Amino acid sequence: QKEVEQDPGPLSVPEGAIVSLNCTYSNSAFQYFMWYRQYSRKGPELLMYTYSSGNKEDGRFTAQVDKSSKYISLFIRDSQPSDSATYLCAMKASSASKIIFGSGTRLSIRP
Amino acid sequence: EAQVTQNPRYLITVTGKKLTVTCSQNMNHEYMSWYRQDPGLGLRQIYYSMNVEVTDKGDVPEGYKVSRKEKRNFPLILESPSPNQTSLYFCASSSLTGLAGAGEQFFGPGTRLTVL
Repeated sequence: QKEVEQDPGPLSVPEGAIVSLNCTYSNSAFQYFMWYRQYSRKGPELLMYTYSSGNKEDGRFTAQVDKSSKYISLFIRDSQPSDSATYLCAMKASSASKIIFGSGTRLSIRP
Repeated sequence: EAQVTQNPRYLITVTGKKLTVTCSQNMNHEYMSWYRQDPGLGLRQIYYSMNVEVTDKGDVPEGYKVSRKEKRNFPLILESPSPNQTSLYFCASSSLTGLAGAGEQFFGPGTRLTVL
């Protein structure tokens, strides 16, 4: 069983829709949770990060962590075609430990 | 501009022919790492380096070598490439402080390698 599971998609939604991307994990030691965005032919770039449980909002993006269910989510409101990319969740147990990446969900926003 | 550069971006080679993929960063980062990205498997770490002359194995180091003689450069060496090393490779760097503790890494644009 992988430490981090992520549905690969692809996920296709119309412009303006609310998008929900999710990951589950098995290691209860994970404390840092990240979402990376990867455009086609580019390297991943950090989109958001959270520490421990709770929500974090940044513009149209909201990251949510539910440690009791070992489940994290990324919500995108008012989705735009420019949001079309692969989104990778990532986690680590401590500031010094290595990052474990999910396999990524490919998202397409239709104009 | 702060960036991580990789060369070449695309490479087709044959089994057994030694190759080197270069990686360079201009952000004075201590930490550098190599990943490979394969469909369904996500990003898997090959090797990493915490500083000059300090390197360590990641999750999938077999068939790869690295060196860190200068802080800015971290080349990936395939001494005898095989078809199962066909993949998309990313170099990444980060500082050892600040958001790096929360998981921030800066990635290069990737090198798509095909081994025939």
